[in-house]
Amino acid sequence: DAGVIQSPRHEVTEMGQEVTLRCKPISGHDYLFWYRQTMMRGLELLIYFNNNVPIDDSGMPEDRFSAKMPNASFSTLKIQPSEPRDSAVYFCASSHQPSQNSPLHFGNGTRLTVT
Amino acid sequence: RKEVEQDPGPFNVPEGATVAFNCTYSNSASQSFFWYRQDCRKEPKLLMSVYSSGNEDGRFTAQLNRASQYISLLIRDSKLSDSATYLCVVNPLYNFNKFYFGSGTKLNVKP
Repeated sequence: DAGVIQSPRHEVTEMGQEVTLRCKPISGHDYLFWYRQTMMRGLELLIYFNNNVPIDDSGMPEDRFSAKMPNASFSTLKIQPSEPRDSAVYFCASSHQPSQNSPLHFGNGTRLTVT
Repeated sequence: RKEVEQDPGPFNVPEGATVAFNCTYSNSASQSFFWYRQDCRKEPKLLMSVYSSGNEDGRFTAQLNRASQYISLLIRDSKLSDSATYLCVVNPLYNFNKFYFGSGTKLNVKP
């Protein structure tokens, strides 16, 4: 299995630009999670999907952030317009059924720098 | 109050030492517990689940104390390759699809 695949690995953009992060979960996993990690705040859950439906987006910081999951094998996290404080590592993770027997599997992450 | 709290460290230990980390959680109804390992500039990776009766995986032992609401990770015979940040993760019963991560404990194993 290829694991969770994220792209791009690195993204450098200027303030005000639109940023789109991509994720392909592990095949057969029906839960998908987007996390953001910074030194100050650690890992924060932004949103998660179950069977392509957004279940909890309470962690999405502002209306500038949006996420979609058009099918079981693809999700996007979009920031528009981007700001320097959005600079962080964004991780996508997937799980079959969150439990002790099916924990989260993370992608390699996208390191976002907004100048 | 944070859902999960950890001592950030760093814990600096020599090779071969035994080291232990604790992690406290705030919600007594928490259901599942995990330790993840994160290397510098890498993604978190599952180290082990933590079961009520405690469990062991090679040099690693995890314990759960529900009465005091903490979990622990013991590493015996530390290796240089154990140097990493160890994240405590809690999965609450009231929202079993959410995983709450601690901020991590950094371990440096020195020759």
